[in-house]
Amino acid sequence: DGGITQSPKYLFRKEGQNVTLSCEQNLNHDAMYWYRQDPGQGLRLIYYSQIVNDFQKGDIAEGYSVSREKKESFPLTVTSAQKNPTAFYLCASKGQGYEKLFFGSGTQLSVL
Amino acid sequence: GNSVTQMEGPVTLSEEAFLTINCTYTATGYPSLFWYVQYPGEGLQLLLKATKADDKGSNKGFEATYRKETTSFHLEKGSVQVSDSAVYFCALLAGSRGNTPLVFGKGTRLSVIA
Repeated sequence: DGGITQSPKYLFRKEGQNVTLSCEQNLNHDAMYWYRQDPGQGLRLIYYSQIVNDFQKGDIAEGYSVSREKKESFPLTVTSAQKNPTAFYLCASKGQGYEKLFFGSGTQLSVL
Repeated sequence: GNSVTQMEGPVTLSEEAFLTINCTYTATGYPSLFWYVQYPGEGLQLLLKATKADDKGSNKGFEATYRKETTSFHLEKGSVQVSDSAVYFCALLAGSRGNTPLVFGKGTRLSVIA
């Protein structure tokens, strides 16, 4: 079955540590997105990529980095510069010319 | 810029009650409008959509009508069930129909009690 997979489901970060969240899709979608979800804040866009080897900053990119070396994969690194990383992170993808966004099941990141 | 405003929750209803969740938007041009639903611990799923003025999107008993004159896309359901308990997000896609990001509202949590 086609879909979008995020891993791990839960992740813990120590002070000063970088951590990477995985997002893989087998839907052959060109566009991929990372959102951060905090209680009462809705979804805020971190980064997005419309094509391989290209990506753009969203509204809250500071303290995060991404890469898009393969069409299927769009990993998000939460760097030590992100001082408040505790949140639920959602990855999504969309096919060219389509409007429906497909979401992964999310990664809950917490700080130890 | 483009934005979506939803009524704040939480909304608590008894089973079989009528549901309305208000959503208004600000956008240039003629956006497409969406409602997404998020069940606990999961990602979002598309519930319904409308792509032009006066269109009505519907799914699983939920419906919403694209009202250009009031820039609104309110979600309604005539009789809610406990299984409808979730967070509901209104969203818009403005500008080109390419891969520009959706803009989401803050979400409205619905709790339905038996």
